[in-house]
Amino acid sequence: QVQLVESGGGLVKPGGSLILSCAGSGFIFSNYYMSWIRQAPGKGLEWLSYISTGGSYTDYADSVKGRFTISRDNAFNSLYLQMNSLRVEDTAVYYCARRFCSGASCYPAAFDVWGQGTMVTVSS
Amino acid sequence: QSALTQPASVSGSPGQSITISCTGTSSDVGGYNYVSWYQQHPGKAPKLMIYEVTHRPSGISDRFSGSKSGNTASLTISGLQAEDEADYYCSSYTSSTTPFVFGAGTKVTVL
Repeated sequence: QVQLVESGGGLVKPGGSLILSCAGSGFIFSNYYMSWIRQAPGKGLEWLSYISTGGSYTDYADSVKGRFTISRDNAFNSLYLQMNSLRVEDTAVYYCARRFCSGASCYPAAFDVWGQGTMVTVSS
Repeated sequence: QSALTQPASVSGSPGQSITISCTGTSSDVGGYNYVSWYQQHPGKAPKLMIYEVTHRPSGISDRFSGSKSGNTASLTISGLQAEDEADYYCSSYTSSTTPFVFGAGTKVTVL
């Protein structure tokens, strides 16, 4: 079935780095824009970054611009998020999500497949 | 980029209809028809319920409907059921430096 599985979360000290991974299966991974979205404990959703199908185009939320880097390897159906200079406020569940497409059309701000999330805790 | 404004909570009895609002600006909700709604049960990933303001993905009940007027989008749940109790988030494309923004979320309680 169509599935996304994140990994790589954990406990890291402020100023540290972490790499999250997201493995896609059950669909043609290379055909879809992918995003990272996070949710701090007890809080709402925050979109972080997206990457185009081939990886040429990326964009970031102001809150992580210059600190986080999104990438993908379509040969391995995988999405990544390199997180540097981590702050306490980066503590959250991190989700990867697929941009929704129907037929030949794809829709901004619509994410139809989500992973189960991976928890990142930034604490000293 | 500020989150879109949603009421913190909305409640209704089984069978009733409820509406959740999502207020933004002309730079997001009012300027584009790229508004989506998500349902999230505790401990679960969000689920896409509505895209492009009014459209339901395959498999989503027609009890869920979306609309927009000016800078405010709305999600209506008709024939409220116990399983509709969840958090609901709106999202929109924006012309700001952060291209996508979510609302703060609305907790729906079925009385």
